[in-house]
Amino acid sequence: DAGVTQSPTHLIKTRGQHVTLRCSPISGHKSVSWYQQVLGQGPQFIFQYYEKEERGRGNFPDRFSARQFPNYSSELNVNALLLGDSALYLCASSLDQAGREQYFGPGTRLTVT
Amino acid sequence: AQSVSQHNHHVILSEAASLELGCNYSYGGTVNLFWYVQYPGQHLQLLLKYFSGDPLVKGIKGFEAEFIKSKFSFNLRKPSVQWSDTAEYFCAVISYNTDKLIFGTGTRLQVFP
Repeated sequence: DAGVTQSPTHLIKTRGQHVTLRCSPISGHKSVSWYQQVLGQGPQFIFQYYEKEERGRGNFPDRFSARQFPNYSSELNVNALLLGDSALYLCASSLDQAGREQYFGPGTRLTVT
Repeated sequence: AQSVSQHNHHVILSEAASLELGCNYSYGGTVNLFWYVQYPGQHLQLLLKYFSGDPLVKGIKGFEAEFIKSKFSFNLRKPSVQWSDTAEYFCAVISYNTDKLIFGTGTRLQVFP
């Protein structure tokens, strides 16, 4: 079975631009969560979606938004990019609403210049 | 706020040495506990998990962890490490109240032959 997939693998953007990251969960998983991992730190929770509804939000500004589609894939959008948004963005999927056992994708490496 | 502390940032061992990585969390309610591993160039993988029951849990590749509720700890152990255990290890906690998976800052383990 395919694991969690994310696209693109790498991305370079300039300050002020907008970016969209994509995630496809494991087949049968209805919950998708997004994390930001800055070098030298653990992943930081951004959003969780279950059945297309937002179930949780971390401490990130409104420039960050996400959505989940009927096929349970998800997009993370970041507007007005800042240098500090440079990070590895991870997507994880799980079976249940609470997301208690999550499986991670390879991530998208975003560099903002 | 809920937090996870990993005391060892960088651990260097020789093959066959024993390993113990510390993890403490701050939340006092019911929690689920996880250890994730990130091998060089690979994505985060679930190493083991504790939901309930026997506080000594066994994971993949000979790893185990012990949940000590009174100490708010979930330390990871392995009796004899191998060079292939070189990786970054993350402790994570999800509480029944918030449903947010909170990660520690990670421990980088280097094992030399």
